[in-house]
Amino acid sequence: KAGVTQTPRYLIKTRGQQVTLSCSPISGHRSVSWYQQTPGQGLQFLFEYFSETQRNKGNFPGRFSGRQFSNSRSEMNVSTLELGDSALYLCASSWTGSDEKLFFGSGTQLSVL
Amino acid sequence: QQPVQSPQAVILREGEDAVINCSSSKALYSVHWYRQKHGEAPVFLMILLKGGEQKGHEKISASFNEKKQQSSLYLTASQLSYSGTYFCGTGFSNDYKLSFGAGTTVTVRA
Repeated sequence: KAGVTQTPRYLIKTRGQQVTLSCSPISGHRSVSWYQQTPGQGLQFLFEYFSETQRNKGNFPGRFSGRQFSNSRSEMNVSTLELGDSALYLCASSWTGSDEKLFFGSGTQLSVL
Repeated sequence: QQPVQSPQAVILREGEDAVINCSSSKALYSVHWYRQKHGEAPVFLMILLKGGEQKGHEKISASFNEKKQQSSLYLTASQLSYSGTYFCGTGFSNDYKLSFGAGTTVTVRA
């Protein structure tokens, strides 16, 4: 059974650009959540989607957005990149998104220069 | 709100025990524990639900004190493979998100 797949694995962008990250959940999982990981800060919740609906959103500026498609694949977009957006972006999938085990992908390492 | 984990780091010799604590300022519904090795994705260890029992995973177990809004992870007779960063994630009913602590880095030496 394939795990959670995130693409690309690495990205280098410059300030002001925008970026789109992709996440394919485990087959059958309908919940996808996104987290930003920076050294010393742990994992910060970005948003969660279930059946194409965003059910919760973290405290991030509007430059961070996401969506989910009918096949449960999800994308997140960051517009007008800032240096502080450099981080590892992790997505996780689960069956329902409610109090159950999360399966994490390996993440996309974003560097903003 | 982000839970507080302590200690930030711990160094152990094989066979030693350790406890990692996770405290929340809000009443908890669930506590999740994950371990992340360098350069890898976080891996699920266990979940504790309000009113639930202490859970175990090999020689790693955890408890959930609802009154103190705190969970503790117990590493017993540590092995080299236990090295990594341990994160607790706190959840609230129908919230569909986890708030993670900053992590505790565990180093087990031979």
